[in-house]
Amino acid sequence: DTGVSQNPRHKITKRGQNVTFRCDPISEHNRLYWYRQTLGQGPEFLTYFQNEAQLEKSRLLSDRFSAERPKGSFSTLEIQRTEQGDSAMYLCASSSSTSVGEQYFGPGTRLTVT
Amino acid sequence: AQSVAQPEDQVNVAEGNPLTVKCTYSVSGNPYLFWYVQYPNRGLQFLLKYITGDNLVKGSYGFEAEFNKSQTSFHLKKPSALVSDSALYFCASFSGSARQLTFGSGTQLTVLP
Repeated sequence: DTGVSQNPRHKITKRGQNVTFRCDPISEHNRLYWYRQTLGQGPEFLTYFQNEAQLEKSRLLSDRFSAERPKGSFSTLEIQRTEQGDSAMYLCASSSSTSVGEQYFGPGTRLTVT
Repeated sequence: AQSVAQPEDQVNVAEGNPLTVKCTYSVSGNPYLFWYVQYPNRGLQFLLKYITGDNLVKGSYGFEAEFNKSQTSFHLKKPSALVSDSALYFCASFSGSARQLTFGSGTQLTVLP
């Protein structure tokens, strides 16, 4: 068990560019979550997958955001036409189907939009 | 709608003294409550949870939390603080239907040597 990994760890991009982040969950976990965390705030839920199905999406997930988990393993989060307000830490977490709220978080991808 | 509140942005305590980090909740139905800790450059780590049963729950690293239904609180405690406990602590509630954690704004705990 190597834990949840996220790549890249840091991303600096110019406003208007597209970015894609990857999350590799713990291998036996079938649930995967994306959160966003800004400075001084707790993480905010973005979306949730069970296997390859995206079952929940937050209102925070505008139409510029898209997430996929094509084979029920790794997941990608893409942001199109980035804006400065997208600058944040993007966290991925995974959990087993028997877990009630206990989620394992990756180290996050810090996005800076200039 | 579920929410948790952490009224203190910062808590300072001397090493060896007991510590308390406060959390209050507002949830419909039975609350599922959690504490997570965030160290610099590391991911959030689960500390403990309350689902049902005993109001005093024990977790990792000697931490415990007391669930108080009448005060809608779930305060994190440790009898004797260590410098290494210095970190950012988050209280969270879990929505079973939406399968998401709702976090408080966090409390920075600093344990002074």
